[in-house]
Amino acid sequence: GEQVEQLPSILRVQEGSSASINCTYENSASNYFPWYKQEPGENPKLIIDIRSNMERKQTQGLIVLLDKKAKRFSLHITDTQPGDSAMYFCAANSNNRIFFGDGTQLVVKP
Amino acid sequence: GPKVLQIPSHQIIDMGQMVTLNCDPVSNHLYFYWYKQILGQQMEFLVNFYNGKVMEKSKLFKDQFSVERPDGSYFTLKIQPTALEDSAVYFCASSSYRGQDTQYFGPGTRLLVL
Repeated sequence: GEQVEQLPSILRVQEGSSASINCTYENSASNYFPWYKQEPGENPKLIIDIRSNMERKQTQGLIVLLDKKAKRFSLHITDTQPGDSAMYFCAANSNNRIFFGDGTQLVVKP
Repeated sequence: GPKVLQIPSHQIIDMGQMVTLNCDPVSNHLYFYWYKQILGQQMEFLVNFYNGKVMEKSKLFKDQFSVERPDGSYFTLKIQPTALEDSAVYFCASSSYRGQDTQYFGPGTRLLVL
């Protein structure tokens, strides 16, 4: 969706390295930013989210950062494993709706 | 975590026929959504629904599409008549609050229009 831009569209990394996905949003009033992971043939599953009262959140090898001034947020996967290979979607709320980015296909090479 | 169910998981129909996709949202959720996803591509918002009414719909929500949730039963997406370009995976989602809370997705219905 045009309200949320997500890059890169494809990301290939070596197992054990880190991976970063970046998103920008348009509405400065956005205050909720979820990240979804979608494996082939599966539905999107929420993996982590951050609200605008935080700049950083970490859980189980995932770190999300939020820069409200730049209207930018990012997902960082540390120590990637082959099981992290999937499509990842960022999202942001705006005008009572959630807008999704176009997705990043992450490929973790063993 | 909270579960959204979708029935059927797969549906194959001939172009021009009607199809109804069923969603059983999380029990205490009030907001319901349909998304369309063509293989490997982005999630495309179709419509959101609250209190018996369509709140917002996208350009993809053609006149042939309709949604309802009669008497708190399934939240349904009906396509009548179907077209070839309607072939996709349709995901239902639900949330407690609109736009500020987690949307939980169902497993999807894979629709193939021949």
